[in-house]
Parts: sequence; C-alpha cells; structure tokens
Amino acid sequence: DTGVSQDPRHKITKRGQNVTFRCDPISEHNRLYWYRQTLGQGPEFLTYFQNEAQLEKSRLLSDRFSAERPKGSFSTLEIQRTEQGDSAMYLCASSPRTGGDEQFFGPGTRLTVL
Amino acid sequence: GENVEQHPSTLSVQEGDSAVIKCTYSDSASNYFPWYKQELGKGPQLIIDIRSNVGEKKDQRIAVTLNKTAKHFSLHITETQPEDSAVYFCAAPFYNQGGKLIFGQGTELSVKP
Repeated sequence: DTGVSQDPRHKITKRGQNVTFRCDPISEHNRLYWYRQTLGQGPEFLTYFQNEAQLEKSRLLSDRFSAERPKGSFSTLEIQRTEQGDSAMYLCASSPRTGGDEQFFGPGTRLTVL
Repeated sequence: GENVEQHPSTLSVQEGDSAVIKCTYSDSASNYFPWYKQELGKGPQLIIDIRSNVGEKKDQRIAVTLNKTAKHFSLHITETQPEDSAVYFCAAPFYNQGGKLIFGQGTELSVKP
C-alpha cells in the first residue's frame, strides 16, 4: 500500500498525559499537512511542512502541540498535558512536489482523552 | 477571511436518483476545488477535483461544475447506489498559508435501496 499511513489508529489517554502520533506520507511527497477533525465538522488545518521546514501553524495549535518532520519524510505530532477538548480525529495529508494542489489523506488517529 | 459554505448538510435520495451538493468560497485566488468522500472511521478520500480553467469535469457517475464568477462549485452524483452513502466535503485552498485546505461543513448523503 503506497498511501499515507498513520499510527496509532486509536489512542485513549487520561487527561494530563502526553501523546505522540506518527504520519508517513506518500513517497516523495514533499508537503505534509496536519488537520484536526471533530465530530460532525470538516477537517481544520493545524500545521504544514515543506520538506523538513514547518512553514505554517494555525492558531488552533497551542503551545501544548508540537510537530516535527526531521528528515523531510515522516512527521510526528505531540500533544503535551492532554485535555478533554483535544479529543478528535487527527488527520495527516501529503501533497506531491509538482502540480501539487492535491492532498491525499491518511486514515487518521482517533484520540480520546478521558 | 477564507470561508467555504456547503449545502445541504443532509441529503437523502432513493437508489438510482441523482444527488447534488453545492459549495461557495470566498477567496478569489482559489483555483483548485477538490471533493472528498469520508466513510465512518476513515480519512477523507479524494474523489474528484477541478481547476479554474475548466467549467466541468466528469468521472463516470460523478461530475463537478465550477462557476468562478459566482464563486461556487457543485458535485453531481448520478445513478446513486447505497455504497455512495457517506459524508462529502468540498474544499478550497488558501494559498497564503501553504495551500492549506478550507473545508465545507460536510453533507451526509444517504442512499436508500
């Protein structure tokens, strides 16, 4: 399968714990996006990487959130001191190097904060 | 600011009928308009897209039309089947922020056999 993959698919944690999610984009896609989706809503942009550089961050991304893409391939999204309001589906998408408006999404990581 | 409005929020049709979902956008610079299908528990799947240099694009039973002057675009599904039941999202890119997609609110399509 050469699509976008995300791990884990589901995460249940207690309030105050830290969690980390991983995204592996489609090979050679140089742009990578993180979105958050709550029930009944469309995805909302969190942050964007071009290669290893994080170029944009949404106001939704509080200082408890950090994302990295150290070698321009996979990316991680960490949430520190989780809150119940962080419960959502976290989606990763990648976009190709050229002609690249298309964004292809992974299956998402469903986070539940108890 | 960037905004995408989508209607209706729910749509129920009989198998074999057509379904139409409409979106409007605010950013005049947008020139690419994708449609995604999302099934329960899965990520959004890109099903069709259109660029602003064309007014219509078809792929088998689905088509998208674009009116750039009026800033609206629509998804048309003909001969609907139960497996078309899902949530559909339109989106438009905001180029000032790396081409992030601004999504509509979604349309829950139910196709009754």
